[in-house]
Amino acid sequence: AQTVTQSQPEMSVQEAETVTLSCTYDTSESDYYLFWYKQPPSRQMILVIRQEAYKQQNATENRFSVNFQKAAKSFSLKISDSQLGDAAMYFCAYRSTMNYGGSQGNLIFGKGTKLSVKP
Amino acid sequence: EAGVTQFPSHSVIEKGQTVTLRCDPISGHDNLYWYRRVMGKEIKFLLHFVKESKQDESGMPNNRFLAERTGGTYSTLKVQPAELEDSGVYFCASSQAAVWTTNEKLFFGSGTQLSVL
Repeated sequence: AQTVTQSQPEMSVQEAETVTLSCTYDTSESDYYLFWYKQPPSRQMILVIRQEAYKQQNATENRFSVNFQKAAKSFSLKISDSQLGDAAMYFCAYRSTMNYGGSQGNLIFGKGTKLSVKP
Repeated sequence: EAGVTQFPSHSVIEKGQTVTLRCDPISGHDNLYWYRRVMGKEIKFLLHFVKESKQDESGMPNNRFLAERTGGTYSTLKVQPAELEDSGVYFCASSQAAVWTTNEKLFFGSGTQLSVL
């Protein structure tokens, strides 16, 4: 079974600085999707960035980028020029591309990292 | 366009009582998912509807949980009788197509915070 591990329960960053959130995962599959979701105090989960495992190029969305190391099964999120609005819980998630007869909307989440942004 | 709506946002009940959570997906989204996060733990998949049919309910913890999606629109998740360990945030998500076939995104609601005392 796949697992996702976020080893940093909490992180803190100064406004305008850069922070990296760690995520590792375990799978025997070769093709899959990885995601970072943001959960602000409003609790609504928002997709930050998505990475397809078959793509070697790291995904980038404005100030958010990932460092995807497939062999190491690592998927870290870098937030550049941190803003106060970036303060939130960040969840790393995995999704299989295989159809086992069940649900592929079945995201497997890590425990989350709470990010604080200091003004 | 309205997003995924969940009601209530908070619910506090006593052990043994019944609670029903509701999720209204984005209009036109055939796929509806329920997830749960118990405090300090991972967000866990509960089940997946395609229209009114249960595609996958492998994550449902036990038979005290009953999910329905009559008519393929909104869904309810009933917990009866509620136990202390049921406390957590229950999330609903929807997508238009089957997520595994495309790069379709999941759209999440804000969740229902359930506290069982």
